[in-house]
Amino acid sequence: AQRVTQPEKLLSVFKGAPVELKCNYSYSGSPELFWYVQYSRQRLQLLLRHISRESIKGFTADLNKGETSFHLKKPFAQEEDSAMYYCALKAAGNKLTFGGGTRVLVKP
Amino acid sequence: DGGITQSPKYLFRKEGQNVTLSCEQNLNHDAMYWYRQDPGQGLRLIYYSQIVNDFQKGDIAEGYSVSREKKESFPLTVTSAQKNPTAFYLCASSISATFSGNTIYFGEGSWLTVV
Repeated sequence: AQRVTQPEKLLSVFKGAPVELKCNYSYSGSPELFWYVQYSRQRLQLLLRHISRESIKGFTADLNKGETSFHLKKPFAQEEDSAMYYCALKAAGNKLTFGGGTRVLVKP
Repeated sequence: DGGITQSPKYLFRKEGQNVTLSCEQNLNHDAMYWYRQDPGQGLRLIYYSQIVNDFQKGDIAEGYSVSREKKESFPLTVTSAQKNPTAFYLCASSISATFSGNTIYFGEGSWLTVV
């Protein structure tokens, strides 16, 4: 069975500081990983996916199969980055399994 | 305005009663999902449907039931058998159940409170 773990429930950083959200997974197949974000009073929405190798809003995430991790990073956090972030893994049948989420608070 | 519509946004239910949450999408998506969101536990999959007239149990299906009679609709019934139904429920959809990398879109959610 697949599992996604986000060890930090809350990350508090100052504006301009780097931020890294940890995500570890367990899955026997070939993983497909995503980061979703939920801003205050908005819907949960896709931030980025590992297959695209893209940078969205300054965030990047690299899949490390050896360490079974997909950490999300941003070198300079902004106040508008304050939100709830979820790491997710897509398994067979398009079943998407989410981690417990990390709340990011960027202080001015 | 296209997307996923969940109703009602807020619902109160007495213990012992069944309640049905509506989810409609006009995105022409084949796959639809129901998740439950609890504080500190993230999102947990209740049921999902890859195509009309088909659905599978997710990780926490006990006490819930669904139907998929129409492509655009995937209602969730929270039955009296669900021991802890008070939660935030999210409906989602995606283009295809098998297309690699396709995005899942979420509704705004429904708050269910058992009183």
